[in-house]
Amino acid sequence: DAKTTQPPSMDCAEGRAANLPCNHSTISGNEYVYWYRQIHSQGPQYIIHGLKNNETNEMASLIITEDRKSSTLILPHATLRDTAVYYCIVRVSYNFNKFYFGSGTKLNVKP
Amino acid sequence: GAVVSQHPSRVICKSGTSVKIECRSLDFQATTMFWYRQFPKQSLMLMATSNEGSKATYEQGVEKDKFLINHASLTLSTLTVTSAHPEDSSFYICSARDASGGDNEQFFGPGTRLTVL
Repeated sequence: DAKTTQPPSMDCAEGRAANLPCNHSTISGNEYVYWYRQIHSQGPQYIIHGLKNNETNEMASLIITEDRKSSTLILPHATLRDTAVYYCIVRVSYNFNKFYFGSGTKLNVKP
Repeated sequence: GAVVSQHPSRVICKSGTSVKIECRSLDFQATTMFWYRQFPKQSLMLMATSNEGSKATYEQGVEKDKFLINHASLTLSTLTVTSAHPEDSSFYICSARDASGGDNEQFFGPGTRLTVL
């Protein structure tokens, strides 16, 4: 039931921006895009979410294309502690707003 | 921020026994909670949706008699793995939806590592 496609892994140099892409070409008009990350053996941590407009918070920025078929999560200055699996999720807008996780992107931040 | 706790954090049990895992929302009310299972090197798989005061709804392929869910209050849901077997060994994670939240984001617990010998 996952509705997103992400690259399995990415590398990023410490201090550089990490840009994580996500394809959600079948997204419906009222479905939100959420990003979570999971550090090894912990529960997922909320990062950011959006509907149409680009969003920014203290952790990251979310850029959503105009047609909403893809998005990019940007970590502006990656640190070693940002090494984690990042999940892009399209929230189902019916049936209790379930989350179905895809396979995610393993981001490796290297010194 | 909203906090979700799970207890225990890890449990080891013998095959054939039942194990109960608790999920609590600490600073908000959660009319809906979700239970996930995660095997090593795999993604989270949604098992069931737990609704306060009503029966849980299970995802396709998840045995409701094997994984008993009770959501007796607005801050507590429990998952009981009945007659556990080694293949039930996994990382179980719950999440809770803040009923007062406008965008319905989910807050996840830290997970429970179950090992069945």
